[in-house]
Amino acid sequence: GQQVMQIPQYQHVQEGEDFTTYCNSSTTLSNIQWYKQRPGGHPVFLIQLVKSGEVKKQKRLTFQFGEAKKNSSLHITATQTTDVGTYFCAGPNRGSTLGRLYFGRGTQLTVWP
Amino acid sequence: EAGVAQSPRYKIIEKRQSVAFWCNPISGHATLYWYQQILGQGPKLLIQFQNNGVVDDSQLPKDRFSAERLKGVDSTLKIQPAKLEDSAVYLCASSPGPLDYGYTFGSGTRLTVV
Repeated sequence: GQQVMQIPQYQHVQEGEDFTTYCNSSTTLSNIQWYKQRPGGHPVFLIQLVKSGEVKKQKRLTFQFGEAKKNSSLHITATQTTDVGTYFCAGPNRGSTLGRLYFGRGTQLTVWP
Repeated sequence: EAGVAQSPRYKIIEKRQSVAFWCNPISGHATLYWYQQILGQGPKLLIQFQNNGVVDDSQLPKDRFSAERLKGVDSTLKIQPAKLEDSAVYLCASSPGPLDYGYTFGSGTRLTVV
């Protein structure tokens, strides 16, 4: 079955440092989505990328979707303590009519003040 | 708009007991999902409803888990009998349709089986 891998599993940074998490799928995805889950909270949708090679920005967050639509990355510039949480990527298989999302294990980000 | 409502927020039961979780999705959202999130892992889909019909339950342990979405609105997920490995957070999510992404998740029910 489809697998979505994320690295690193954990990342500890000093406030102000940059952070990047990488997502790789074993199959081609029709789109990639990113969610953020704060400690003790539930996943919150951040963004969706659809096109091959697509890049989107949300303030200090930059999201990329690979040319082959099998990998993606999330980069945070100048992290803040409010960025703490686990970041998940998720995507459905290309051609999926059910829209079933496969989630990675997530990257847990800790930001030291 | 109101979010996805779930109850209870926490539940502790003994193994072999039964438990039920309730979810009320965002009004007008046709697609409803139940996910299981074990500590340290990403959410795993258990079942997906489109209106009141099941469209994907391939990952649902049907010998002990059941779910329904009568009238195509709120939904109930049941476990009977519970096992220790069922300890997890059970998340409900909804979206306007199966290919409308950007799920809205509820706060989840944290189940502890002792």
